[in-house]
Amino acid sequence: QQQVKQSPQSLIVQKGGISIINCAYENTAFDYFPWYQQFPGKGPALLIAIRPDVSEKKEGRFTISFNKSAKQFSLHIMDSQPGDSATYFCAASMSSSARQLTFGSGTQLTVLP
Amino acid sequence: NAGVTQTPKFRVLKTGQSMTLLCAQDMNHEYMYWYRQDPGMGLRLIHYSVGEGTTAKGEVPDGYNVSRLKKQNFLLGLESAAPSQTSVYFCASSSPRVSVNTEAFFGQGTRLTVV
Repeated sequence: QQQVKQSPQSLIVQKGGISIINCAYENTAFDYFPWYQQFPGKGPALLIAIRPDVSEKKEGRFTISFNKSAKQFSLHIMDSQPGDSATYFCAASMSSSARQLTFGSGTQLTVLP
Repeated sequence: NAGVTQTPKFRVLKTGQSMTLLCAQDMNHEYMYWYRQDPGMGLRLIHYSVGEGTTAKGEVPDGYNVSRLKKQNFLLGLESAAPSQTSVYFCASSSPRVSVNTEAFFGQGTRLTVV
């Protein structure tokens, strides 16, 4: 049972463009929504995270938009750079369940120079 | 500060063989996890631990066992490897304290092939 659905599976963007990745969740008990970035041969690393009491969080070129009523959240990468080319995973967890992460299926982002 | 260290990084097993994957963290985290990553499926939780001497099943626990005898170590065992267990395995750790960043830190992964 996939509790976090992620789209698109792959994304190709020109340098300087905006990359947008979307996720939808089912379990309303989730209270923490991180995005992880993974480079080939490496483990996932936290990129940015949000809690459901805010609708947007911005860190540099990365922004999470959160819509609690629709149970959706998205990652926006502004001014995308070739160095952003990686696989991105959305995830969700709940404090009542040992912070287990439920991951989306991942989006492979390619930023063309 | 090494963070989360996994050993080995690569391993090839024959069907039916057994092995143990070791995870060590130096951040004094209470929570530790084992995930497997398969193409198109993201990461799925195998087992986790909320403290020394405790373990619990995750989403895909069948065919695996775990132990956490020391707070800093979390072992994942395969008693009789099957080709379906070919995957990349990631260990992670995190803190339950709400005043601390709840980020989960991941190791570099173990690529396991079962032939």
